[in-house]
Amino acid sequence: SAVISQKPSRDICQRGTSLTIQCQVDSQVTMMFWYRQQPGQSLTLIATANQGSEATYESGFVIDKFPISRPNLTFSTLTVSNMSPEDSSIYLCSVADSRGYTFGSGTRLTVV
Amino acid sequence: SQQGEEDPQALSIQEGENATMNCSYKTSINNLQWYRQNSGRGLVHLILIRSNEREKHSGRLRVTLDTSKKSSSLLITASRAADTASYFCATDSTDSWGKLQFGAGTQVVVTP
Repeated sequence: SAVISQKPSRDICQRGTSLTIQCQVDSQVTMMFWYRQQPGQSLTLIATANQGSEATYESGFVIDKFPISRPNLTFSTLTVSNMSPEDSSIYLCSVADSRGYTFGSGTRLTVV
Repeated sequence: SQQGEEDPQALSIQEGENATMNCSYKTSINNLQWYRQNSGRGLVHLILIRSNEREKHSGRLRVTLDTSKKSSSLLITASRAADTASYFCATDSTDSWGKLQFGAGTQVVVTP
């Protein structure tokens, strides 16, 4: 399966600021996704990161709050904008290809 | 939104006992997967069962899938303290390959 490097692993941020999370994949993959896991909850899909075009967002998530870039088939970023304490969560990227499904190690975000 | 429902929400057993958890889902699927997560850390992929399969084994894990009932079960035999974790089912629907819908999760505690 693919190998994903996700950075940062954790961060503590002030409210009102933004944080950009990066995921680097060791091979080209078509399908790349971003998930959020709120404290004590399961994972919820934020969006599909599309290479060369705008991301496709799930219900309840908007581009202004979670802008996503996908400049090529091995890299994507998720920005959490204008953060509030409610954004404190684990954010994970994921890829799916013929070899299976792989998740990044996650970014634990705490907003104070 | 989460597609899967899992039960029980929490399970406490002693080492050596078996642990069984169930997952139900709503749509047609390509496959169903089970993941483990230790203390809010990264996801560990345990097993994938395809929609045309009914049962699958991997070490101490046994997964069943009943597509007519849209349900799956995960059995962990001879549990160990190291099995203490949260377990999530996730489905890959036929209309959106690669995007996973996660169940609410079962928190398993195995005491020595």
